[in-house]
Amino acid sequence: GAGVSQSPRYKVTKRGQDVALRCDPISGHVSLYWYRQALGQGPEFLTYFNYEAQQDKSGLPNDRFSAERPEGSISTLTIQRTEQRDSAMYRCASSSLAENIQYFGAGTRLSVL
Amino acid sequence: QKEVEQDPGPLSVPEGAIVSLNCTYSNSAFQYFMWYRQYSRKGPELLMYTYSSGNKEDGRFTAQVDKSSKYISLFIRDSQPSDSATYLCAMSDTVRGNKLVFGAGTILRVKS
Repeated sequence: GAGVSQSPRYKVTKRGQDVALRCDPISGHVSLYWYRQALGQGPEFLTYFNYEAQQDKSGLPNDRFSAERPEGSISTLTIQRTEQRDSAMYRCASSSLAENIQYFGAGTRLSVL
Repeated sequence: QKEVEQDPGPLSVPEGAIVSLNCTYSNSAFQYFMWYRQYSRKGPELLMYTYSSGNKEDGRFTAQVDKSSKYISLFIRDSQPSDSATYLCAMSDTVRGNKLVFGAGTILRVKS
């Protein structure tokens, strides 16, 4: 597919479990971004990568959240010891170096019970 | 206070009406301004992209940026039921590889 792909689309987990959310960016896109979107709100920045290097992680809420992009393509956002307040839509976006236009995936809906 | 303020609506208009959507912001460093459209259960899709102040037109859509007032607008002419969606303004202060700061989104409903 040509767009940003995220998996799983839905994730239900119990409080205290770890979860890993995956993002496959548009082919050739150097920059990859993670956002979190609460119901009725706009996406809120979490972190971003250029190639495999994490450039800015200022939006990660606490040290339970981490992200990696080891080969400069697919990225994983990991949340350890999940809490109910982590429930949200997690969105990934990618962009090329040539333009500052971010293309978003459909998101992963995380529900922590 | 949020960096970007946007009235969440909902805004309900009849088909064919002119729609005006707006955002205000506080960070004078913002240089790049975008409008995204988000349909239910979908990701945001870019609608308009503007650099600095001025107007940009694309079909039925016009984006305006007034940096002196820290105010941006999106106008939709001849609105259609298919325009019913959430419209998100977003902005950033660097050219590449930096975070977008979004408004909360305005829900638009166009009635046929």
